[in-house]
Amino acid sequence: GENVEQHPSTLSVQEGDSAVIKCTYSDSASNYFPWYKQELGKRPQLIIDIRSNVGEKKDQRIAVTLNKTAKHFSLHITETQPEDSAVYFCAAPPLNAGGTSYGKLTFGQGTILTVHP
Amino acid sequence: NAGVTQTPKFQVLKTGQSMTLQCAQDMNHNSMYWYRQDPGMGLRLIYYSASEGTTDKGEVPNGYNVSRLNKREFSLRLESAAPSQTSVYFCASRTQAGDRGFSNYGYTFGSGTRLTVV
Repeated sequence: GENVEQHPSTLSVQEGDSAVIKCTYSDSASNYFPWYKQELGKRPQLIIDIRSNVGEKKDQRIAVTLNKTAKHFSLHITETQPEDSAVYFCAAPPLNAGGTSYGKLTFGQGTILTVHP
Repeated sequence: NAGVTQTPKFQVLKTGQSMTLQCAQDMNHNSMYWYRQDPGMGLRLIYYSASEGTTDKGEVPNGYNVSRLNKREFSLRLESAAPSQTSVYFCASRTQAGDRGFSNYGYTFGSGTRLTVV
């Protein structure tokens, strides 16, 4: 099955700085990599995702990059704001022998991001 | 449009008691999932239902059972609760079950059930 490792477990930045969270995955056939943001006491929400046929995707202040050769992908947040403070999770689909995941996801352990005003 | 609705939001059980967590979605999604969230361990898949009429085990199924009652509803049952099942439980759904080409895997999560087993 898929193994997803996420680093760092905690990240503290000053408002306006950039933040980078990195995940590695084990299954070279994985083709979809989402990032979820979870605010305290709330449900996880999808913030950005990338498919394996592209190397980078941006949405305003957030971006995700993918290195298929090294089997890692990263979340980049620029010009951080206090409201970016949350737990961020990466994920990848665990594929069966036939290359199917049925929508299942293996999540990383999470990164607690704190943005200080 | 409520999205994914979970009940109850909080529950305290005694060891050995049973209970059912309810989940319903109104987005006409095919696939539904139950995850548990524990500190430092991310979210781990308990059971899933790729489509109405099918269910299958995830990463941590022991001690749980599920029922896909219809396309909207997917319930999770703890037959004999144990302290190790203290966790936050999330139900999620997504639009399609197949993986042909590149699918939209974006989950919609419910608001969660915080369960404590004493």
